[in-house]
Amino acid sequence: DAGITQSPRYKITETGRQVTLMCHQTWSHSYMFWYRQDLGHGLRLIYYSAAADITDKGEVPDGYVVSRSKTENFPLTLESATRSQTSVYFCASSTSGGAYEQYFGPGTRLTVT
Amino acid sequence: AQSVTQLGSHVSVSEGALVLLRCNYSSSVPPYLFWYVQYPNQGLQLLLKYTTGATLVKGINGFEAEFKKSETSFHLTKPSAHMSDAAEYFCAVSKPGYSTLTFGKGTMLLVSP
Repeated sequence: DAGITQSPRYKITETGRQVTLMCHQTWSHSYMFWYRQDLGHGLRLIYYSAAADITDKGEVPDGYVVSRSKTENFPLTLESATRSQTSVYFCASSTSGGAYEQYFGPGTRLTVT
Repeated sequence: AQSVTQLGSHVSVSEGALVLLRCNYSSSVPPYLFWYVQYPNQGLQLLLKYTTGATLVKGINGFEAEFKKSETSFHLTKPSAHMSDAAEYFCAVSKPGYSTLTFGKGTMLLVSP
């Protein structure tokens, strides 16, 4: 009964490198979401997905790429990391959008040097 | 577009005192409203939500919130604070028919003995 997991939990990378953050859920939830959390900004939506092979931009998508080939996985890739992408990243899932509860992973703390 | 304003980035209370965390929203239609809690180094978890029906909503750990359409508010209350309530609290809004949430910037609740 793993629920929703994220890996790695901590990552340090250099400016310009590509990095992929993984998210896996065991509930077969249709919807998955990626957020970033920064002091003074709360949580901001990066991308979300309503089902496998369906993704859409959120509030702050620039510099990020997502894919969803399987229902249970929703990786987030920073193609060329920048210092402004230093943040804590949360993945979440829900049975549907809107009124339904989102279940959050434990987060990945990413530092870009 | 909907938005959420949480008044006060930090709220301090004594153990046993009333907890009041304020949330005001902006939405063109009656929204869905949520309160999430984040304990240190963890993801968010749902405290309570309002979708339709009774405007006073009870959640976990003794928290409740009241949807007041005339005031566009959804304040979170608890009659008596416990040390274990110390955490960051996020108000969020979703528009019916939309898949995503918009979060406020969060309020850190500090509880002193």
